[in-house]
Amino acid sequence: QLQLQESGPGLVKPSETLSLTCTVSGGSIRSSNYYWGWVRQPPGKGLEWVGRIFYSGSTYYNPSLKSRVTISVDTSKNQFFLSLNSVTAADTAVYYCAREEYGSSGYYHGMDVWGQGTTVTVSS
Amino acid sequence: QSVLTQPPSASGTPGQRVTISCSGSSANIGADTVNWYQQLPGTAPKLLIYTNNHRPSGVPDRFSGSKSGTSASLAISGLQSEDEADYYCAAWDDSLNGVVFGGGTKLTVL
Repeated sequence: QLQLQESGPGLVKPSETLSLTCTVSGGSIRSSNYYWGWVRQPPGKGLEWVGRIFYSGSTYYNPSLKSRVTISVDTSKNQFFLSLNSVTAADTAVYYCAREEYGSSGYYHGMDVWGQGTTVTVSS
Repeated sequence: QSVLTQPPSASGTPGQRVTISCSGSSANIGADTVNWYQQLPGTAPKLLIYTNNHRPSGVPDRFSGSKSGTSASLAISGLQSEDEADYYCAAWDDSLNGVVFGGGTKLTVL
């Protein structure tokens, strides 16, 4: 059974870079039907899609975060990564990694496997 | 301000049928499929409905989805106390080239 697990610092200082890792177990990240994405949720608020990556390295980012976000992948370690620079208190959130599925018809099937989430607080 | 619009709250009594709406545009719901997520308190979201009206394995058939034009709906029949959760719609947006979520609907079982 596929599992995703986020890891990284729980506290980041303002203006610094937030770095998270998502480790995929129970399956390969090298699949043509899936993207690997990040979603965040500020305290008491809704879900916000951050971006996604294909195992080949192609990426899509939320336009509102694009200037500060980088998502990368290491297929040899079955991991993908989130880097968000110049963070402020507004970046405080629970960060989830998730698998995004596309069906054979090309339609987007959504995020079918999620990590448990990791809380990141931006504070000095 | 979310790209997809949902009512902030909904409620019903056990056994009742409730619906949650999700309104978008020709760039998202009108152009692609809608997915719905259930988020129980303190847990990660769970995919509830994909591609407008399909249920992943393990999701009870009390949950159903529909789409018409630029709007979609989630229906829950035979409401149960364990359905109390936040529900989010989502879709790919061709203009933004990314996934957009609704603001979420908090469902209360009275």
